[in-house]
Amino acid sequence: DAGITQSPRHKVTETGTPVTLRCHQTENHRYMYWYRQDPGHGLRLIHYSYGVKDTDKGEVSDGYSVSRSKTEDFLLTLESATSSQTSVYFCAISAGTDTDTQYFGPGTRLTVL
Amino acid sequence: AQSVTQLGSHVSVSEGALVLLRCNYSSSVPPYLFWYVQYPNQGLQLLLKYTSAATLVKGINGFEAEFKKSETSFHLTKPSAHMSDAAEYFCAVMGGSNYKLTFGKGTLLTVNP
Repeated sequence: DAGITQSPRHKVTETGTPVTLRCHQTENHRYMYWYRQDPGHGLRLIHYSYGVKDTDKGEVSDGYSVSRSKTEDFLLTLESATSSQTSVYFCAISAGTDTDTQYFGPGTRLTVL
Repeated sequence: AQSVTQLGSHVSVSEGALVLLRCNYSSSVPPYLFWYVQYPNQGLQLLLKYTSAATLVKGINGFEAEFKKSETSFHLTKPSAHMSDAAEYFCAVMGGSNYKLTFGKGTLLTVNP
């Protein structure tokens, strides 16, 4: 257990509504990442953070925003959810070295109707 | 830029048979390579990683992988499959800034009795 929790674990919402997913870590790691997992696509990076208030885009960032106001929490927001954002979302953390492992949370299954 | 190709989205083996899951990578820098396993409805768990210390890497649950620079490959093997090995396996390469991982699309391993 890498000390990562995600909330909620499951969510069903309607198109056009805002949604916020939370990732919480107890490891005090500097780096945090948000991925989405879709069948046939593997995991794709949405956004990541390399410190408090330091964030950057990944390869599939359109329609998503993030915030990190303290080390332990990394929030992913869908400003106006669309059906194409139905997915399983994973948070990961790492200490930030070349040889370091990224540890993954249990995931959030989001369904947008 | 980094990329990963996993050959075969689905591999089926008999219990006790050799498991071979293929991964080829492309990287503009010396790569750090990872294999993760995902059991149904769970997050990703690290199986093993290559960080240039040794080309043959041993991981958990009897898995190992060999880094072959000339073939740009990092195939995952296990001499004898168990029913409990049934899962999805992801190969990933780390490179570029901020220790980002690029994942392959995954290989679903089925183990038949």
